[in-house]
Amino acid sequence: GESVGLHLPTLSVQEGDNSIINCAYSNSASDYFIWYKQESGKGPQFIIDIRSNMDKRQGQRVTVLLNKTVKHLSLQIAATQPGDSAVYFCAEGGGATNKLIFGTGTLLAVQP
Amino acid sequence: DTGVSQDPRHKITKRGQNVTFRCDPISEHNRLYWYRQTLGQGPEFLTYFQNEAQLEKSRLLSDRFSAERPKGSFSTLEIQRTEQGDSAMYLCASSRQPGQRDEQYFGPGTRLTVT
Repeated sequence: GESVGLHLPTLSVQEGDNSIINCAYSNSASDYFIWYKQESGKGPQFIIDIRSNMDKRQGQRVTVLLNKTVKHLSLQIAATQPGDSAVYFCAEGGGATNKLIFGTGTLLAVQP
Repeated sequence: DTGVSQDPRHKITKRGQNVTFRCDPISEHNRLYWYRQTLGQGPEFLTYFQNEAQLEKSRLLSDRFSAERPKGSFSTLEIQRTEQGDSAMYLCASSRQPGQRDEQYFGPGTRLTVT
């Protein structure tokens, strides 16, 4: 079902620590997953994506893990910086149009 | 930077008025999406274009909403007889053609406030 509510889950970390943001997706048929970062007043910014035929993908300071058995996605951010503070959304896509279905966002707060 | 652009960035209108938003996608992208985002929520899909063809519309897109992409480049989203419940951020995204990389790049959005 759809998530409702204005109170975002929040993850508070110290600068320099690693962050892990988790997401549960709903559709077993989804074959494409993507993480976005959204700062206040801005559009979502692409971070990293992964296809269902992979279980891990690494980028610069970020790693996405996919567990299809339990329909779980995670984003790991290494050496978190104050500039990483934002709301993070996971999204699932696929099919002919690849329209994205977004999960509930997580607010990442990095303490200096 | 030739990212996705949207215009206007902010729009305040009175209930019952019509509004139109514009989206200019990344130039080589032939897929274009409109989403709507309300406070504290993730974006929700509204409609999808491949070139000039509108191939999918969400049930969220009531009869008061219409979208076009006449030449397969920029797109417009019109809302007729606006209601307070239409207040939201309207986001446009674009991506390459099917079979190429699928990541969708979003514009900055148009924030609509209906008073």
